[in-house]
Formats: sequence, structure tokens, C-alpha cells
Amino acid sequence: ILNVEQSPQSLHVQEGDSTNFTCSFPSSNFYALHWYRWETAKSPEALFVMTLNGDEKKKGRISATLNTKEGYSYLYIKGSQPEDSATYLCAFMEGRGSTLGRLYFGRGTQLTVWP
Amino acid sequence: KAGVTQTPRYLIKTRGQQVTLSCSPISGHRSVSWYQQTPGQGLQFLFEYFSETQRNKGNFPGRFSGRQFSNSRSEMNVSTLELGDSALYLCASSFDREGSYTFGSGTRLTVV
Repeated sequence: ILNVEQSPQSLHVQEGDSTNFTCSFPSSNFYALHWYRWETAKSPEALFVMTLNGDEKKKGRISATLNTKEGYSYLYIKGSQPEDSATYLCAFMEGRGSTLGRLYFGRGTQLTVWP
Repeated sequence: KAGVTQTPRYLIKTRGQQVTLSCSPISGHRSVSWYQQTPGQGLQFLFEYFSETQRNKGNFPGRFSGRQFSNSRSEMNVSTLELGDSALYLCASSFDREGSYTFGSGTRLTVV
């Protein structure tokens, strides 16, 4: 069974705080690591697809890093805003041909940003 | 550009019945995946279709099946419904299975 773990499970921060979450995944057979943001009553929205060890991605105030050798990724949000409130999901894709297209999701980190 | 469309949005069925859910991917996307979310669980992979062929299947019983048509639209069928099948079913599409996936709004299935 392939495990993808996310921590913390939930996080409450004040507007303006910076925050970060962790995603742990298997360090073998790596193909890609995805991050999604899922707001209540909406569809999950893609943030990043990371494929190379040491990769860093940035989108506005959100950035992510990747360490495939030790099997973890960090997602950072700088200066959190109430509209950042959502569940942040990471998903691991194995590098074997037969399993391409299958994402193994973590349970997510639920972020609440208070004004 | 139209997103991923799932129909119906909500569905109530009785135990023992069967149900068919539909997913229309983004135009040009060839990969369609299905996921199930139940309370307290993360998104669980059901199956993935690429160019009308099932390429991957998750650990679900044979009551769960699907197909993909030549226009990439996909359907998922659940036969002999059980109470535990009550869940949010999400469909996602991707151009080539390697990039990001675009999700639909989901179908909320309730089995009574």
C-alpha cells in the first residue's frame, strides 16, 4: 500500500501570517508530485506539478519545494489571506508505466485564515 | 474554455440499484480519471481511461466499472449499490497523463 502523508491535518492562522505544510511520499519510483487547492463547494484546482529533485515552483504568494531523495515536499504561503482558506492536497504519481495516470492523494491540510 | 462537466450533480438511489455517472473532459484531454471521496477518507482512485482504454484500476470491487468513448467522454457505473457507496465522485481530465489534472465539480451519490 502506497502512503502519502500530509501534516498538519488542520491549521488556523491570522491574516498576514506565513505558513507551511508538509507532504511525505515514497522515495522510490518517483514520477511527479502534485499540489491542489480545494475550496469548499468548488473543484480541486491544480497548483503545481513537480517532477525534479530540488524543484521549486512559485505562484503568487504560494511556493513549493521538492526533495525526491528523502520523499517530502513543502508548500509555503506567504502573508496568508482569508481567500487562501481551503484544503491543500498533495498527490504522488509513481514512475512505472503501468501506474502513470494514477494519483495517490494525501488526506490534505485544512487551512483557515482569520481576518 | 469549458471545464470538466459532471452529471448529475446529486443523486439519490436505493440499495441494490445501479447508477451511471457521466464526465465530459476538457476538449483535447485524452485521460480521464475517477476518484471517490467518503467522509474521513482522502480521494481514492477508481480507474483511469486513456484513448478509450482502461489503463489503471484502483482497489474497488467489480461492481465499479467505467468506459470512455471516442470523444473522450467517460461514464462510470456502479451496480448493486450499497450504503457504503455513498460518496462524492470526482472526475478529472488531463491532456497526456503527465501534467496537472482538471477536476469536475463532482457527483454526490447518496444510497438509502
